[in-house]
Amino acid sequence: GNSVTQMEGPVTLSEEAFLTINCTYTATGYPSLFWYVQYPGEGLQLLLKATKADDKGSNKGFEATYRKETTSFHLEKGSVQVSDSAVYFCALSDTRGTSYGKLTFGQGTILTVHP
Amino acid sequence: SQTIHQWPATLVQPVGSPLSLECTVEGTSNPNLYWYRQAAGRGLQLLFYSVGIGQISSEVPQNLSASRPQDRQFILSSKKLLLSDSGFYLCAWRLGLAGVDEQFFGPGTRLTVL
Repeated sequence: GNSVTQMEGPVTLSEEAFLTINCTYTATGYPSLFWYVQYPGEGLQLLLKATKADDKGSNKGFEATYRKETTSFHLEKGSVQVSDSAVYFCALSDTRGTSYGKLTFGQGTILTVHP
Repeated sequence: SQTIHQWPATLVQPVGSPLSLECTVEGTSNPNLYWYRQAAGRGLQLLFYSVGIGQISSEVPQNLSASRPQDRQFILSSKKLLLSDSGFYLCAWRLGLAGVDEQFFGPGTRLTVL
């Protein structure tokens, strides 16, 4: 079955540091890949997505590239801010016709950015 | 634009009491709807999904049930809560169209069972 593995957290960085959160996946077919962000006490917000190999999703300074050869979708940001402190989830969608758009999530990575 | 609402935002219930959480979506028709649970320090577990009125699929055996009485209403219920039902419950919707994969989440309900 499908699965998503994220790097273990928590990740603690200083403001303006470079961020990488690793995500690898196992899937049949050609899934779409997503990064969601969850701020404290809130629901999940879609951060970015990529629908096919070599696509790069980007939003708010975050980027991730769909790498089919390494089955990866690592999240990066060149300079993090305190306001980026949140939990980040990598996810994939099952594109089979009977899947009804179900998402498989990684376990989440807690990011804390200090001033 | 589309919006998704969940209520209540916070709930504290004794063990053995019933539960009803409601989710409604505005601004779209015939969405796919999903209930997730997020236990403390863990990822998201898909509990139920629905592709239409009265159509419910369960992903894991559990003490909970779901219903979809109207196109844009999704309800999560339990007859008798267990301590293990505590968690953060998230409702999500998706356009019921092939090729549109992203889901959009509500603000969540924090449930504490004592």
